[in-house]
Amino acid sequence: GESVGLHLPTLSVQEGDNSIINCAYSNSASDYFIWYKQESGKGPQFIIDIRSNMDKRQGQRVTVLLNKTVKHLSLQIAATQPGDSAVYFCAENGNSSASKIIFGSGTRLSIRP
Amino acid sequence: DGGITQSPKYLFRKEGQNVTLSCEQNLNHDAMYWYRQDPGQGLRLIYYSQIVNDFQKGDIAEGYSVSREKKESFPLTVTSAQKNPTAFYLCASSTGLAGLYEQYFGPGTRLTVT
Repeated sequence: GESVGLHLPTLSVQEGDNSIINCAYSNSASDYFIWYKQESGKGPQFIIDIRSNMDKRQGQRVTVLLNKTVKHLSLQIAATQPGDSAVYFCAENGNSSASKIIFGSGTRLSIRP
Repeated sequence: DGGITQSPKYLFRKEGQNVTLSCEQNLNHDAMYWYRQDPGQGLRLIYYSQIVNDFQKGDIAEGYSVSREKKESFPLTVTSAQKNPTAFYLCASSTGLAGLYEQYFGPGTRLTVT
């Protein structure tokens, strides 16, 4: 299972700069990965996903990179805006027949004006 | 609009009382999930259901119960046996196996037990 910490790691970024949020996943058999954004008091919102047959996938202003060798996932947000302030969670499936996914503990993204 | 609804948004109960949280979806999704989130922490899976009339325990099922009598509904009951029930509860659904498809989340219910 995922580790659960009392304090979320925080990334502080200047408005307009690019943000990179990192995630180390635990299971080498995982073949589906998802990034979610959660604003305060709301449910998580899907951002982007990637399957293990890819190492990069781009969306609107977001890019997810997957490095299976070191079990590392990153989310890049271009030209960070105030509306990007939120907690970002990565999730992995553990294996392709999994009926549940495993969430990471999250990273809080803070935007400086 | 298609989506997931949870009601109520805020819920207050006295210790020792059972309380049921509602979750409804009109996305025609087969699978539904309940998560618990504590302040500053990630999501922990309570129960999930892949199909009507079937459900499985997640990682922290003790003190909770669910039912799945209809495809669109997956209510969660927090019983008096749950030692620390105050938390933010999130319901989600997906087209199929969570390991293959993204989950769609509801707005959450914040439960406070005193």
